[in-house]
Amino acid sequence: NAGVTQTPKFRVLKTGQSMTLLCAQDMNHEYMYWYRQDPGMGLRLIHYSVGEGTTAKGEVPDGYNVSRLKKQNFLLGLESAAPSQTSVYFCASSSGTSATDTQYFGPGTRLTVL
Amino acid sequence: GQNIDQPTEMTATEGAIVQINCTYQTSGFNGLFWYQQHAGEAPTFLSYNVLDGLEEKGRFSSFLSRSKGYSYLLLKELQMKDSASYLCAVTAYSGAGSYQLTFGKGTKLSVIP
Repeated sequence: NAGVTQTPKFRVLKTGQSMTLLCAQDMNHEYMYWYRQDPGMGLRLIHYSVGEGTTAKGEVPDGYNVSRLKKQNFLLGLESAAPSQTSVYFCASSSGTSATDTQYFGPGTRLTVL
Repeated sequence: GQNIDQPTEMTATEGAIVQINCTYQTSGFNGLFWYQQHAGEAPTFLSYNVLDGLEEKGRFSSFLSRSKGYSYLLLKELQMKDSASYLCAVTAYSGAGSYQLTFGKGTKLSVIP
């Protein structure tokens, strides 16, 4: 049982390049999330999904797109990377969204945009 | 919107007790979580509070007062491995039958010998 996994772990991009971050979970969770974490800013929600085939915007969605074609996978895309997107990206999943539904986090992807 | 405040940094001595406070202002409050995050690692779940009162889990306890918009995390018998950031997060109703988790900026705790 691997929990939540993310690939890649590290990536360096040049401004304008595109890339896709992959998140996979093996806990049969309905809900999946993408966060970014910046120094002094805490974790901020980018996009989330409440089930296969559905996605919704979070607090900071601009410049990102997501897709949830399979229940176990949640992809985060950057179409044209900008230096402001240099960050650590965390994926998380949960069985629900109530007060007792814990979110489980992946190990993170450290992205640098030059 | 959500507003969550917690101290930026704290230092405590090995073997001591430390209390990390969190205050929040939110509409549709449903519950409060505490996560631990070691440097360079993912956040991991510590505790949640839905009702007022104290929840105890070994060396860690968390308290909630819904009327005051206040929570604290209490760490007893501090160990060096407790050096980490502690994230307070509030879950609130976001519409369409779902809830959203909003994180504070975290408190970096340094445990010194």
